Amino acid sequence: QRVTQPEKLLSVFKGAPVELKCNYSYSGSPELFWYVQYSRQRLQLLLRHISRESIKGFTADLNKGETSFHLKKPFAQEEDSAMYYCALNTGGFKTIFGAGTRLFVKA
Amino acid sequence: DTEVTQTPKHLVMGMTNKKSLKCEQHMGHRAMYWYKQKAKKPPELMFVYSYEKLSINESVPSRFSPECPNSSLLNLHLHALQPEDSALYLCASSQVGLQDQKLFFGSGTQLSVL
Repeated sequence: QRVTQPEKLLSVFKGAPVELKCNYSYSGSPELFWYVQYSRQRLQLLLRHISRESIKGFTADLNKGETSFHLKKPFAQEEDSAMYYCALNTGGFKTIFGAGTRLFVKA
Repeated sequence: DTEVTQTPKHLVMGMTNKKSLKCEQHMGHRAMYWYKQKAKKPPELMFVYSYEKLSINESVPSRFSPECPNSSLLNLHLHALQPEDSALYLCASSQVGLQDQKLFFGSGTQLSVL
């Protein structure tokens, strides 16, 4: 069981599309999440695959064939600058976090 | 109240000291967690309590001793720590029995061991 976020840092211009990549390895039925940590704020849930929701313009689709759960937003805003963690719950209480991607949105 | 509250926010201790970290939530969550986060690293699970009983211990050294005195409180007792134990200690809580375990995190205690 592993979560891989290949980019440590992603820098985009305001208004540009952004995609934060996440791949997982798990043989069962995964529960996937994106957590975000804004500067000087606590780690908080951004979205989860089971609810298929869009939060702050972000969406993420679970692709079981590619074992991916990439986070996307069509037009990045400066306030999106934060640390983003992809997380995998394999059932029960164990949630495994990826290494994280720091998103920097430039004006 | 939808927050997880951790005290203290910062703690400096010597290797011979005994100290405790505290965590409190009033969301009715029956699962509570301790995570350890080193700088620029993801959170790593240490312990999980479910219904006040220890459910998971991720092979954490015995110098860390968790306690869940009731459904709202979670403590982490520290004794004879090493400098490499310096980290941000995060408490989290969640409901039990749902298909997706959404975690609610506290702001953490930044621990420095001298």
